[in-house]
Order: sequence, then structure tokens, then C-alpha cells
Amino acid sequence: SQTIHQWPATLVQPVGSPLSLECTVEGTSNPNLYWYRQAAGRGLQLLFYSVGIGQISSEVPQNLSASRPQDRQFILSSKKLLLSDSGFYLCAWTSGREESRAQYFGPGTRLLVL
Amino acid sequence: GQNIDQPTEMTATEGAIVQINCTYQTSGFNGLFWYQQHAGEAPTFLSYNVLDGLEEKGRFSSFLSRSKGYSYLLLKELQMKDSASYLCAVKDSNYQLIWGAGTKLIIKP
Repeated sequence: SQTIHQWPATLVQPVGSPLSLECTVEGTSNPNLYWYRQAAGRGLQLLFYSVGIGQISSEVPQNLSASRPQDRQFILSSKKLLLSDSGFYLCAWTSGREESRAQYFGPGTRLLVL
Repeated sequence: GQNIDQPTEMTATEGAIVQINCTYQTSGFNGLFWYQQHAGEAPTFLSYNVLDGLEEKGRFSSFLSRSKGYSYLLLKELQMKDSASYLCAVKDSNYQLIWGAGTKLIIKP
């Protein structure tokens, strides 16, 4: 069965510091991968998605970036965090673009920028 | 633009039935999904509808009317553990999920 991991689970970082969040998927190959952010009490905001190694699409212009160095690894980064980057970061995967394919989420990383 | 509307919050009683509505306007339609999200946790997949009608899965059912741009999630025999947010999402013509803000469901004894 497929499993998706994210780490760290929680993170407190000062403004201006760098960020690296990692997501890995097990039990599948060539997944579509997604990074979402959820502000407190709000819906999901799609940040990046990837359909393959080195292929990244950005949905929201901001100080975040994403990379996919391996088939089942997706990394979210920032060189300098802003207060507004605080939120719940979720990685998700799906196995292709078929209509019925749901996205499945990792446990998330709660980021607080102070 | 693309838009998904859901009520912000609903309250129901343990053992009762509740219906959570979702209306959508999207560029294309490739299915509608419902997710459950407990406080502090990631969303988990509940149901998928692509054809008009009702899909039943245990205590949960989901209905879709594509002509009306409307769906609902029906929860029967409510339990305290059903207290959560319920997210409606539509897969658009680019196969991307467009998300509603979610409905917070509060269950009272």
C-alpha cells in the first residue's frame, strides 16, 4: 500500500531564516505530487505541483520554491521566511490524471514564523 | 473565475442526520470530491462523484447534480467523532482540484 511521509511535523522559525520541508511517497511510482498551504480556519491553497522529476508548476508567486530531485521526493524551500508563511503545509500525491484519482495527503507540517 | 461555496459552520445532534451542501462554478468538470479533516490533522478522502446521483458509503452518502453545479454530503447516525471540517473539491478541466473553504461540523450530545 502507498504511504506518504512529511517532516518535520512542527517547526518554529525566525523571520528571514531558510526553510526546507520534505515529502516522500512509498509504494507507487511516478506519482503527481502537490504542496498545499492551509492558513488557520481557511481552505487549501495549492502552491506547487509536479508530474515528474524536475517538473514543477507554480500556482502562486511568492518567496517559496519547490524541487523534485527524485521520483518520490518533493521538497518545499524558502531562502528567507516571512511572517505570512506561517501555516499548515500539506504534501499530497495522486497516481495520474484520471478523473477518479483522489489526492492523498501526508500528515502535514505546522510552521510558525516569529 | 472558479468558485466553490460551502456553509462555514453547521451544528447537529448526535444520532441525527446532517446535509452539507456545496455549489461550484469551475472551468470544466472532472469529478467532485469530499474530504474530512479533523482539527490539526490532514484531510482524508471520503467520496467521489462524477455522474449525477447518489453514492452511498456506509453512514456517508454524496449526491451530485452537474446541471445545477451542486453536491451534498449526507451524514447519518451522527457520532461525536464526526465533528470535523468537511471539504468539497472539484477537479477542473486541467485535472487540478479547486477547493472550498470547508464546513466545520459541530456535533452536540
